[in-house]
Amino acid sequence: DQQVKQNSPSLSVQEGRISILNCDYTNSMFDYFLWYKKYPAEGPTFLISISSIKDKNEDGRFTVFLNKSAKHLSLHIVPSQPGDSAVYFCAARKDFGNEKLTFGTGTRLTIIP
Amino acid sequence: KAGVTQTPRYLIKTRGQQVTLSCSPISGHRSVSWYQQTPGQGLQFLFEYFSETQRNKGNFPGRFSGRQFSNSRSEMNVSTLELGDSALYLCASSLLTGGQETQYFGPGTRLLVL
Repeated sequence: DQQVKQNSPSLSVQEGRISILNCDYTNSMFDYFLWYKKYPAEGPTFLISISSIKDKNEDGRFTVFLNKSAKHLSLHIVPSQPGDSAVYFCAARKDFGNEKLTFGTGTRLTIIP
Repeated sequence: KAGVTQTPRYLIKTRGQQVTLSCSPISGHRSVSWYQQTPGQGLQFLFEYFSETQRNKGNFPGRFSGRQFSNSRSEMNVSTLELGDSALYLCASSLLTGGQETQYFGPGTRLLVL
């Protein structure tokens, strides 16, 4: 049972344009959401997070939006840069202090110069 | 501050053998979690240790076990290896100060079972 889903395995975006990565979840107990970026041969790197009490969090070029009623979150990258090419994972966590992260299967983002 | 380190980085074993992977968390981090990454499955949670105690466990068979030492370093053991255990094993640590914590991942150990 995949509780966190990233339905697009890959996405190609022109450099300078907006990249939008989507993530859906099924478990309403999730209350904290994170995005990680992963390059080949490296571990995932934390990018940005959002608590369920918010609907938007912004950090530089990265913005995460959360729609709790739709159980949907998205990561916007503006403007997209070649260095953003990587696999992006969304992850969710439930319960304060519970460190178990449930990950989506990832979206491979390719930025076209 | 040094990041999460994992050793070895690469490992080749044969079916039936056992393997031990090691993880050193970021200094001061007391929570260590382990994940398995396989193509198409994403990252699957194995278990989490805090203060030498297993706090949380994923849906993996008993062949997968772990432990944590007093210095927060953690080891993961897989016994009676199967071909399907070939994967990237990732360790993550977090501080757990009481707020919303972020897990920081190591580079992983890539295990190949032949």
